Amino acid sequence: DTGVSQDPRHKITKRGQNVTFRCDPISEHNRLYWYRQTLGQGPEFLTYFQNEAQLEKSRLLSDRFSAERPKGSFSTLEIQRTEQGDSAMYLCASSFGLADEQFFGPGTRLTVL
Amino acid sequence: AQSVSQHNHHVILSEAASLELGCNYSYGGTVNLFWYVQYPGQHLQLLLKYFSGDPLVKGIKGFEAEFIKSKFSFNLRKPSVQWSDTAEYFCAVKEGAGGTSYGKLTFGQGTILTVHP
Repeated sequence: DTGVSQDPRHKITKRGQNVTFRCDPISEHNRLYWYRQTLGQGPEFLTYFQNEAQLEKSRLLSDRFSAERPKGSFSTLEIQRTEQGDSAMYLCASSFGLADEQFFGPGTRLTVL
Repeated sequence: AQSVSQHNHHVILSEAASLELGCNYSYGGTVNLFWYVQYPGQHLQLLLKYFSGDPLVKGIKGFEAEFIKSKFSFNLRKPSVQWSDTAEYFCAVKEGAGGTSYGKLTFGQGTILTVHP
C-alpha cells in the first residue's frame, strides 16, 4: 500500500494520560499535515511540516499538543494530559510539488474516557 | 480568517436524480478550491479541484463544480446520481494563487448524501 498510513487506527485512553500517534506519508512527499475532525464537522487544521520544519501551527494546538517530523519522513503527534474534549479523529495528509494536492490517511480515532 | 459554509447537512435523493451541493467561502483573496469525498469506511479522497482558468471543473465519477467568484461559491453538481455516490462530501478552500500555494485547507462542515436505489 503506497498511501498515507496512520498508527494506531483506534486509541482509547483515560483522561490525563499521554498519547502519541504516528503518520507515514506517501514516499517522497515533502509536506505533511495534521488535522482533527469531530463528529458532524469537517477536518480542522492543526499543523504542517515541510520536510523537517514545522511551518504553521493552529491556535487549536494548545501547549499539550506537540508534533515532530525529525527526519522529514514520518511524523508523530503527541497529546499530553488528555482531556475528554480531545476525543476526535486525527487525520494526516501528505503532499508534494506545486499543486500541493493533499492525500489523506485513514485517521486515528481517539476516545478519552 | 477564512471560513467555508456548506448549505445542506444531509441530502437524500433517489437514483438518477440530479445533485447540487452548495459551498460558499469567505475570503477576499485568491483561493484554490476543492471537493473531497468520504465513502463509508474509507478515508477522504479528492473529487475535484479548481486552481485557475475555466471556472467549470470536471472531476472523477461524473462530478463537476463551478466557481463563481462574484458569489464566493463553488457548488458541486452531478446530473444523475447513483447508489454508489452515497458518501459525505466536503468543500475545502486554500489561500493562494494559481496552482502554487502551499498550506492548510479550510473545510466546510460536510454534506451527507444518501442515494436510494
